[in-house]
This record gives sequence, structure tokens and C-alpha cells, in this order.
Amino acid sequence: GDSVTQMEGPVTLSEEAFLTINCTYTATGYPSLFWYVQYPGEGLQLLLKATKADDKGSNKGFEATYRKETTSFHLEKGSVQVSDSAVYFCALSDGSGTDKLIFGTGTRLQVFP
Amino acid sequence: GAVVSQHPSWVICKSGTSVKIECRSLDFQATTMFWYRQFPKQSLMLMATSNEGSKATYEQGVEKDKFLINHASLTLSTLTVTSAHPEDSSFYICSAALRNTEAFFGQGTRLTVV
Repeated sequence: GDSVTQMEGPVTLSEEAFLTINCTYTATGYPSLFWYVQYPGEGLQLLLKATKADDKGSNKGFEATYRKETTSFHLEKGSVQVSDSAVYFCALSDGSGTDKLIFGTGTRLQVFP
Repeated sequence: GAVVSQHPSWVICKSGTSVKIECRSLDFQATTMFWYRQFPKQSLMLMATSNEGSKATYEQGVEKDKFLINHASLTLSTLTVTSAHPEDSSFYICSAALRNTEAFFGQGTRLTVV
């Protein structure tokens, strides 16, 4: 079945460092891809998404490009801030119209001043 | 974005008792609600999909008689863990969505069965 694999954390960075969190997927159809973020004590929030190959999702300085050839959707940010500390989840929707999401395990990001 | 409220945030119960978790969409009417379960260091696993006014659709391996889901209105879905056991201890998360639009998540409920 469909699945999502993302790098284990925690990822620990200094403020203003470059961030990459890897995410790869396995899907039989044409999924949409998502990154969700969960700040401490809060629910998951949609960070960005891409619905077809070569689409780039972006929000709050974060970017991810839907790469069908490598089945990847890596999350990047050029300069992280302490406020970016959170857990990041990569997810896919199988495109069947059911709105079901399949999640990766989540990657905790810790940014220190 | 829209707000989904989940209650309680955490609960401790005795083995053999039942626990009810509520999921409310506060400022929109959700045609569909989803219930997830998350084990430590694992991904969110979809348990069931709940549509207002109809029976929930459970994922393979999820016991529908143990995890009772009721979606009585467009703003409320409940998950009842019946005859809870320590292995049911987990983090339960709901999400709510309008058809083919973004899903909004509750903050989750930490259940501990002792």
C-alpha cells in the first residue's frame, strides 16, 4: 500500500542554519503531498502542499518540490528560527477523493539561539 | 484557519472502563471527520473515517466494537474506547474537513489506561 518515509529526528540546528528534512513516498496512483507542522501543545497545521509532479509548495519560508522521478518531497528552509521548533510530518493523500492522509513518523526540529 | 477542538487533552482511566473523546469543529461544518492513533515515535495511523449521519468506515485491523465512533452532527464526532486496556494507551487525534478541502486537526488526546 501507499506509504511515507521521513528522516528520523531530532534535528538540532542553530538559528539561521539551513534545514532539510527528507521525505520519500510510495504510491500507486497520483498522490497529493503535504507537510504538516505541530507546535507544542497544538494540533497539526498544514504547512504546505503540492498536488502534482514538479509543483513547489511554499509557506513561511519553507519549500518542498514534488519530485516524481525520485518519489520525494523534501522540506527545506534557508534560515531557521527558534520559533520553527516543532514536529514536522510528511503526508500523502491518495487522490481517491476520500481525503484520507497517510503520514510519516514525524521529525522533531529543535532550533537553538 | 478553521479550529477543531478536541476534549479532553489527556485522560487517565482504569482498565475495563470506557472513555469518550470529543472532536468539535468550532467555526465550520465538517462533512467528514477522521480519527487517528499515534504510538510513540510512529506515524499517525488512520483508524476510521466518519461521515455525518452514517456509520463510520474503519480501517483494516481496527476493532469497530472497541472503538465506537459517533458523528451525530456536522460539528461533533465522538470516539469511545470501550473496556479500555493498557495497550489502548496512546495519542488519539481527530481531524475535520469539508469535502475535498483541507483537513483541520485537533490538538490530540493522550489516553493512559492503568
